[in-house]
Amino acid sequence: ILNVEQSPQSLHVQEGDSTNFTCSFPSSNFYALHWYRWETAKSPEALFVMTLNGDEKKKGRISATLNTKEGYSYLYIKGSQPEDSATYLCASGAGSYQLTFGKGTKLSVIP
Amino acid sequence: NAGVMQNPRHLVRRRGQEARLRCSPMKGHSHVYWYRQLPEEGLKFMVYLQKENIIDESGMPKERFSAEFPKEGPSILRIQQVVRGDSAAYFCASSPGTGQNTEAFFGQGTRLTVV
Repeated sequence: ILNVEQSPQSLHVQEGDSTNFTCSFPSSNFYALHWYRWETAKSPEALFVMTLNGDEKKKGRISATLNTKEGYSYLYIKGSQPEDSATYLCASGAGSYQLTFGKGTKLSVIP
Repeated sequence: NAGVMQNPRHLVRRRGQEARLRCSPMKGHSHVYWYRQLPEEGLKFMVYLQKENIIDESGMPKERFSAEFPKEGPSILRIQQVVRGDSAAYFCASSPGTGQNTEAFFGQGTRLTVV
């Protein structure tokens, strides 16, 4: 994998459903993996920075895992709510410096 | 503590004009990054600056684009003689350092339209 890739590109879930999506990144020379939440007309909001293989982080109903050996991270949302509707971006990079972003997963939660 | 502030939010320029985009980092942040999002693309790194210094401009086009982060005042991304292909959303981010666990905080972006 040469670039950061996210899947799916978009998804629709019913309110209350749990969901997850994937970020794949180059596993060689890994430094850090960032997740952002981006609502339309707002600035991307930092969710997690993950650096260690096997890392698992949680913020409320949102959690993320990291596998640096195989180059992927999962973002999970438990019990989706309409306010979770946003585009979720992941980025790989040297800390905060020169992040390489995926194109994002656009989540729509249907009430 | 105000977030990263960018202005203007929207900017329209005719081909050949200059565009100046401003970014005020979060208080206490001395590292600034500019990213560009072309239509249907992800955010792409352009340039990384610390106060008065350009650290890495490897993502910035060699011609017509320049960036600065003076000792006083906001960081400026300047595009001379704009062309239609420069139409994009330009985002600024800032951080207090560049450690492995450091987050970068983004502004709301400036949408540049070249007509």
